[in-house]
Amino acid sequence: EAQVTQNPRYLITVTGKKLTVTCSQNMNHEYMSWYRQDPGLGLRQIYYSMNVEVTDKGDVPEGYKVSRKEKRNFPLILESPSPNQTSLYFCASSTRQAANTGELFFGEGSRLTVL
Amino acid sequence: AQTVTQSQPEMSVQEAETVTLSCTYDTSESNYYLFWYKQPPSRQMILVIRQEAYKQQNATENRFSVNFQKAAKSFSLKISDSQLGDTAMYFCAFRVYQGAQKLVFGQGTRLTINP
Repeated sequence: EAQVTQNPRYLITVTGKKLTVTCSQNMNHEYMSWYRQDPGLGLRQIYYSMNVEVTDKGDVPEGYKVSRKEKRNFPLILESPSPNQTSLYFCASSTRQAANTGELFFGEGSRLTVL
Repeated sequence: AQTVTQSQPEMSVQEAETVTLSCTYDTSESNYYLFWYKQPPSRQMILVIRQEAYKQQNATENRFSVNFQKAAKSFSLKISDSQLGDTAMYFCAFRVYQGAQKLVFGQGTRLTINP
């Protein structure tokens, strides 16, 4: 089954404790991206990657890091989480062509709470 | 910068009724894509319908159709014969034809279909 898998789905952590949200896709997609969803703001892009070892900032990259060492994986790293990073996070992937037309496959979301 | 505005935070209709969700956007680009994504309680983001700005004909997918008014920068979604399974958050999204590899989302409209 074609899917984008995120882990963990739910996480409560404390300020300053480094964490990683993993994202893996099994569709051989070149393009992967992270969004955060906040009430009243919709979804905003954090980082994206067009291929292995190629990453770029989105609209709200502060406080986050990413890496793309393998095509299927695109982890989101919070080196020192703060309460304003409490949010619902989505990973998305697509072929390069579909990415140009905006048709993305989304994961099921990771609900992160930072105390 | 592009912006997308959904002015209806919540809507509620009876099953089998027709409902229209509003979306306006702001851009100086002439070529772009517009989308409606559905987010049911499961949180999975699902593409409902897509419109390419250069196409005058409004997109249709079964019970879902759009009213695309390019000059007015308006992109509304009509759901006909609404069903209980249509209950979800709906997001309007925009992507420029060339350039930044991201979707710009509106704030979302929470739609409830009542039995």
